Amino acid sequence: DAKTTQPPSMDCAEGRAANLPCNHSTISGNEYVYWYRQIHSQGPQYIIHGLKNNETNEMASLIITEDRKSSTLILPHATLRDTAVYYCIVRVGDTGNQFYFGTGTSLTVIP
Amino acid sequence: DADVTQTPRNRITKTGKRIMLECSQTKGHDRMYWYRQDPGLGLRLIYYSFDVKDINKGEISDGYSVSRQAQAKFSLSLESAIPNQTALYFCATSGVDKRTDTQYFGPGTRLTVL
Repeated sequence: DAKTTQPPSMDCAEGRAANLPCNHSTISGNEYVYWYRQIHSQGPQYIIHGLKNNETNEMASLIITEDRKSSTLILPHATLRDTAVYYCIVRVGDTGNQFYFGTGTSLTVIP
Repeated sequence: DADVTQTPRNRITKTGKRIMLECSQTKGHDRMYWYRQDPGLGLRLIYYSFDVKDINKGEISDGYSVSRQAQAKFSLSLESAIPNQTALYFCATSGVDKRTDTQYFGPGTRLTVL
């Protein structure tokens, strides 16, 4: 699975959009970009995933660049409950293998 | 009700004791996983199972065993607990949807071995 690079920490004002970047320059054509988050010591929570096209669900939007070497997770209106560590994971779909969680980005939403 | 449940949520035990952590899911998924997380580190896979008759070792299986009693249940056992098995343990499940197998995690069990 391709390696990802994320900033270690970010702040965002409550009510504003949180834009979390992820670099995955060695991504292969059959690898998906997944985003999870972990709120202090709770189980990782699935947010969204995509292959090539931008994706949106009730939690967030995922923007993948045309060359697929980077992506951005967007939380449109951040709330205090969005304070968490966010993990960007690149992985071949349907392998049954583990998800490799790196160190992620610690997002703090500020009142 | 939660889709993936783990019991117990917290457990303190002594070195040498046998411990079982249980995981149940109502998502109807075939695949189940056990991970552990240590402070400041990512999750590491212990065991995984693709169906009731399938058990596979993960990255760090030494000192652990598992049992897949049914599609919905996957238990992790520590036959003789040792202090360096103190960690957060997470169960996860996945099914195959549109050629991907997104994993969904339980709330975790905090295990302390004294």
